[in-house]
Amino acid sequence: ILNVEQSPQSLHVQEGDSTNFTCSFPSSNFYALHWYRWETAKSPEALFVMTLNGDEKKKGRISATLNTKEGYSYLYIKGSQPEDSATYLCASSGSARQLTFGSGTQLTVLP
Amino acid sequence: DGGITQSPKYLFRKEGQNVTLSCEQNLNHDAMYWYRQDPGQGLRLIYYSQIVNDFQKGDIAEGYSVSREKKESFPLTVTSAQKNPTAFYLCATYRGRRENTEAFFGQGTRLTVV
Repeated sequence: ILNVEQSPQSLHVQEGDSTNFTCSFPSSNFYALHWYRWETAKSPEALFVMTLNGDEKKKGRISATLNTKEGYSYLYIKGSQPEDSATYLCASSGSARQLTFGSGTQLTVLP
Repeated sequence: DGGITQSPKYLFRKEGQNVTLSCEQNLNHDAMYWYRQDPGQGLRLIYYSQIVNDFQKGDIAEGYSVSREKKESFPLTVTSAQKNPTAFYLCATYRGRRENTEAFFGQGTRLTVV
């Protein structure tokens, strides 16, 4: 079983602040690292999939980096808005076609 | 619209009863998965199926059963043997292989034992 850990568990920021959170995962037998955004009462939706060490992906104000050698990924949100409030899940896939999820970081952006 | 439909959205079960959660997809994906979420925890894998008429246990399969008679459908039965069934259940399908894997999720079923 892969162990994927996310920190912090929850986070409150003011509108306009930039923020980031961490996902750590076992670096052995690694294939891909996924980030999902999960809003209350909706389905999780995919943000990024990254596979290569040093990968950086960006979607609007949200970006992510990947370090497969040390087993971590950062998700950054620039200029947070209230609509960014959600739980951000990361998941790692190994040799089997499965995703092992972390417990998520719950972000609340205060207006 | 392509997607995954889970029903019901909320389900109440008396202790000792079996209940079945429905998951239907029209995405034409081969692989389907059931996850469970408890407060403060990530999604934990219960069962998965990569092809019709075949399924595998995940990390927490005890007290659950599944079937995969059709590509579109992957129902999950929570049996009376499941000691702590109150949780949020998510069904997912996967597209792609290895590094191209992407999961698509239903909206979930919240099961409460009363």
